[in-house]
Amino acid sequence: DAGVIQSPRHEVTEMGQEVTLRCKPISGHNSLFWYRQTMMRGLELLIYFNNNVPIDDSGMPEDRFSAKMPNASFSTLKIQPSEPRDSAVYFCASSPPRARGNGYTFGSGTRLTVV
Amino acid sequence: QKEVEQNSGPLSVPEGAIASLNCTYSDRGSQSFFWYRQYSGKSPELIMSIYSNGDKEDGRFTAQLNKASQYVSLLIRDSQPSDSATYLCAVKPGGSYIPTFGRGTSLIVHP
Repeated sequence: DAGVIQSPRHEVTEMGQEVTLRCKPISGHNSLFWYRQTMMRGLELLIYFNNNVPIDDSGMPEDRFSAKMPNASFSTLKIQPSEPRDSAVYFCASSPPRARGNGYTFGSGTRLTVV
Repeated sequence: QKEVEQNSGPLSVPEGAIASLNCTYSDRGSQSFFWYRQYSGKSPELIMSIYSNGDKEDGRFTAQLNKASQYVSLLIRDSQPSDSATYLCAVKPGGSYIPTFGRGTSLIVHP
């Protein structure tokens, strides 16, 4: 089991550019979550997918952010246009069906720096 | 707004001591409680989960839950320098698959 795989590990981009973060959940996990972590705000949920369908996107900060999950093994989080305040570590996490109990398995994260 | 509160620390304890990490939550309907450990520059890692009042032990770790007081804690016995990390408390409200995370408590275990 390779775990949750995120790419890239680090991304440095200029303000105004488009950024795409990628995630491959653990095989068999049907829930996928995108989080953003900053020192100021801690770990914030951006969006939650269940069976590839977005269930809760209330945490997406604004229209510049969008997320897709075209199939069970791949998801993207896109920021267009990016701004310096988007600089953070973005985590993807997945969990198995009906995971009342177990928490998530997190990916290694993508550290985004917007200059 | 469902809230999970933790003291940011840092909590500093000597090697071999018991480290006590605390967390309070606002939603009385919460059913599932988790502790994650996050090393600097790494992703959160689940270390304990608890669902019923009382204590749950796993090796050097003990999770304690008191739903009446809306309080969950994590005890680390025989603390080691390798336990130095940020510990995140997460709480799942009843009927939800989405936990709310606290901001985390930084633990430093010094030799």
